[in-house]
Amino acid sequence: AQSVTQLDSHVSVSEGTPVLLRCNYSSSYSPSLFWYVQHPNKGLQLLLKYTSAATLVKGINGFEAEFKKSETSFHLTKPSAHMSDAAEYFCVVLGGTNKLIFGTGTLLAVQP
Amino acid sequence: IAGITQAPTSQILAAGRRMTLRCTQDMRHNAMYWYRQDLGLGLRLIHYSNTAGTTGKGEVPDGYSVSRANTDDFPLTLASAVPSQTSVYFCASSAGQGPYGYTFGSGTRLTVV
Repeated sequence: AQSVTQLDSHVSVSEGTPVLLRCNYSSSYSPSLFWYVQHPNKGLQLLLKYTSAATLVKGINGFEAEFKKSETSFHLTKPSAHMSDAAEYFCVVLGGTNKLIFGTGTLLAVQP
Repeated sequence: IAGITQAPTSQILAAGRRMTLRCTQDMRHNAMYWYRQDLGLGLRLIHYSNTAGTTGKGEVPDGYSVSRANTDDFPLTLASAVPSQTSVYFCASSAGQGPYGYTFGSGTRLTVV
């Protein structure tokens, strides 16, 4: 069965510093992986997705993620945090019969 | 309508009452889903439908029922609400098998008192 584990429930960075949100996955076959973002009191927005093409995936708003099979990881990064990046981020894997399986989320705080 | 429309946006409901959350999409997507979001637990799948006329149970189906009479509508019913069903509910749809993009609704915030 597919699953994802987000290793940090809260991450706090200063504006202008790099962001790293960690996600490990478990899958019996080559997974399809996603990162979603949810701003306060808003719906979910797709940041990026990996579907077995290039291992480095670029998303919106300067985010990118690298698929590392040897480490079963799909960490989300951004070189320089903006205040507007403060939100909750979900790592997601595509499960059987096309269902999305969500991690428990990482709340990113950006300090001025 | 563009995408997925959920109604109501929020609701306070007395325990024991029946409630239907509405979800309508205009993209002709085959598959539709209901998730609930709870702090520290992420989103968990309640029920899903791969195509009109079929439904299936997700991770947390107890206390909920769904129907899929047509492609566009996927209502979620709480037959007798309990406080543990206080949550934010998201409806989603996708075009079908494979890693096609999902579309999420804006959510319904339900409080059961």
